[in-house]
Amino acid sequence: GAVVSQHPSWVICKSGTSVKIECRSLDFQATTMFWYRQFPKQSLMLMATSNEGSKATYEQGVEKDKFLINHASLTLSTLTVTSAHPEDSSFYICSALEFPYEQYFGPGTRLTVT
Amino acid sequence: QKEVEQDPGPLSVPEGAIVSLNCTYSNSAFQYFMWYRQYSRKGPELLMYTYSSGNKEDGRFTAQVDKSSKYISLFIRDSQPSDSATYLCASTPAAGNKLTFGGGTRVLVKP
Repeated sequence: GAVVSQHPSWVICKSGTSVKIECRSLDFQATTMFWYRQFPKQSLMLMATSNEGSKATYEQGVEKDKFLINHASLTLSTLTVTSAHPEDSSFYICSALEFPYEQYFGPGTRLTVT
Repeated sequence: QKEVEQDPGPLSVPEGAIVSLNCTYSNSAFQYFMWYRQYSRKGPELLMYTYSSGNKEDGRFTAQVDKSSKYISLFIRDSQPSDSATYLCASTPAAGNKLTFGGGTRVLVKP
């Protein structure tokens, strides 16, 4: 299957700082990428859909000013958690759509806000 | 009611047994169905996808979709301890659309 990478795999930051997470499709072009959040022992919660060259579409209840998404190229999407707080600590996972319908996931990024 | 329902388990089976997993869904518009495997603290891995009703086989894995009863199944033959993971079903109405996930079923294969 296709490969999607995420960087960093684990990040610890202080409350009030911003953190950027990168998601890359390594061997295919992805016009659409998705960002998820996952709490322990729970399923994936879709945060937003990211389309290359356009604004992301956020799910209801997700603060778009807090979770900034930029899909600048066909292989890279970034999620920036701005002014992070301890409640933002979670496992963030991206996926990339290999047209037409196969979604491949990255390995995830564990964010801990102290 | 969630659009895609899954028994959370855990489902415990002895090594070599058949693992039987299933999901039900409520959205009649769903046309594409996927199964993902997720190990602890890792991203989900796509196992199989099917379109509309029918069966699909890939190695030890068989996926079945019955749209008349809105029922999705995954069977794992000759299960191994390395199959111990959480299995997620997902559906979408159209290619390229966002997926709706079930809650996941945790599977334990005991040696």
